[in-house]
Amino acid sequence: DQQVKQNSPSLSVQEGRISILNCDYTNSMFDYFLWYKKYPAEGPTFLISISSIKDKNEDGRFTVFLNKSAKHLSLHIVPSQPGDSAVYFCAGTTSGTYKYIFGTGTRLKVLA
Amino acid sequence: DTEVTQTPKHLVMGMTNKKSLKCEQHMGHRAMYWYKQKAKKPPELMFVYSYEKLSINESVPSRFSPECPNSSLLNLHLHALQPEDSALYLCASSQGPGLAGSSSYNEQFFGPGTRLTVL
Repeated sequence: DQQVKQNSPSLSVQEGRISILNCDYTNSMFDYFLWYKKYPAEGPTFLISISSIKDKNEDGRFTVFLNKSAKHLSLHIVPSQPGDSAVYFCAGTTSGTYKYIFGTGTRLKVLA
Repeated sequence: DTEVTQTPKHLVMGMTNKKSLKCEQHMGHRAMYWYKQKAKKPPELMFVYSYEKLSINESVPSRFSPECPNSSLLNLHLHALQPEDSALYLCASSQGPGLAGSSSYNEQFFGPGTRLTVL
C-alpha cells in the first residue's frame, strides 16, 4: 500500500530552468507534507514543508504547491543549479503522530 | 548545534557478531528515530523514542534492539543479523510530532547514516 507516490524516478533539467518534482498521496489523514533532499552516502536533508491549511509555501528558490482535492503536491526549483542534483523525497504525515511516510524518490540531475 | 551524528559510518559484520550503532543529538529534541533504507527505496521507520521511552516499534525483528540511555543518545544493538539486513541505517530527531489536528509539525533532522553490510 503505497500511500505516497513519486511516479517519476528521474528528471533531467538544464541549469537555470525550472525543475518540477511531483508527489501524489492517498491518505486523507495527512495534514503536513515535507520535501527532503538526499545526496549519496548522506542522510536526507530537510528542504521545505507545507501544512494542509495552505496551498503554497515559498523559501528562496524552492516553492511547494499543495492541491488537496487532487491529493497532489509539487516542488518547484527556480532557477535550477547543478548543486541541486540529488534524490528528492516527499513525505506525508499527520500532526500528533511520529510517522512519516516517504515516497520512493525522484533523482534530479541538473545539467550545466 | 543542529547536527545529528552517527557512528560508525560503515560497519561490516558477520551473522554471529554483536555490534551497536550510535546516534547523538544536542538540539534538545525529545523524539529520536531509527530508519532503515535499502538501495533505491524510501527510508522505512523502525523505532521511535519519545522522552526516552519506546513509542513505536514497527514490528522489527528482535535481532534489532534499540536503547535510549538519555535524551541525547540513541543506540541500535545488532545481533545475529542476516545478509538481507544490509542497508543504510539512519537516525533522526525532532522536537516532537506537533499537536494533533494542528496541521503543524516539527521536522525530523537526519544523521548521515551507517552503511551496514552483513556477510
